[in-house]
Amino acid sequence: EAGVAQSPRYKIIEKRQSVAFWCNPISGHATLYWYQQILGQGPKLLIQFQNNGVVDDSQLPKDRFSAERLKGVDSTLKIQPAKLEDSAVYLCASSSDSFKNIQYFGAGTRLSVL
Amino acid sequence: DAKTTQPNSMESNEEEPVHLPCNHSTISGTDYIHWYRQLPSQGPEYVIHGLTSNVNNRMASLAIAEDRKSSTLILHRATLRDAAVYYCIRATLPTYNQGGKLIFGQGTELSVKP
Repeated sequence: EAGVAQSPRYKIIEKRQSVAFWCNPISGHATLYWYQQILGQGPKLLIQFQNNGVVDDSQLPKDRFSAERLKGVDSTLKIQPAKLEDSAVYLCASSSDSFKNIQYFGAGTRLSVL
Repeated sequence: DAKTTQPNSMESNEEEPVHLPCNHSTISGTDYIHWYRQLPSQGPEYVIHGLTSNVNNRMASLAIAEDRKSSTLILHRATLRDAAVYYCIRATLPTYNQGGKLIFGQGTELSVKP
């Protein structure tokens, strides 16, 4: 079974530029999550989708971050404009059972904002 | 969201058992306790989870205190490949207006000596 795919693996941009990350979850997983992991910290949930609807985006900085999952499969996370403090690893995860909540993570995209 | 508390780092010798402690004194009665681990440059990987009873699987055992204020992840025989950051996580159940969440703490960095 293929795992969660994310791209790109690395991205370097300057502050105020825009950036987008892509995630393809495990086939058949209805729930998709985006996390931000700052160096030395545990991942922090940004947004959760159930199929193509948003379940929780309470921690998403909506003035600069946006995410979509239009067809209920793959998803993109965008930052516009980026700030220095957005430097982090952005992780995507998916789950087939939001009650059991066992999540499968991708390898992440490491973003450096200069 | 109240987080769990873990030692920042621990050391173990190869082929010896490892006991990784976690405090979660403010956990609610319906929160599950999950453990994930994260190897360098990878996303977190599910290890085990439980609610009240001790749990065993092929990777590890989870011992949960009777009052549920603490738990211990037990690796029965540590190998070099077990060197990782281990996260003890509060897992909340979904509600009518919010999805279930994994709330990560800082994690314990486990090093294994040959």
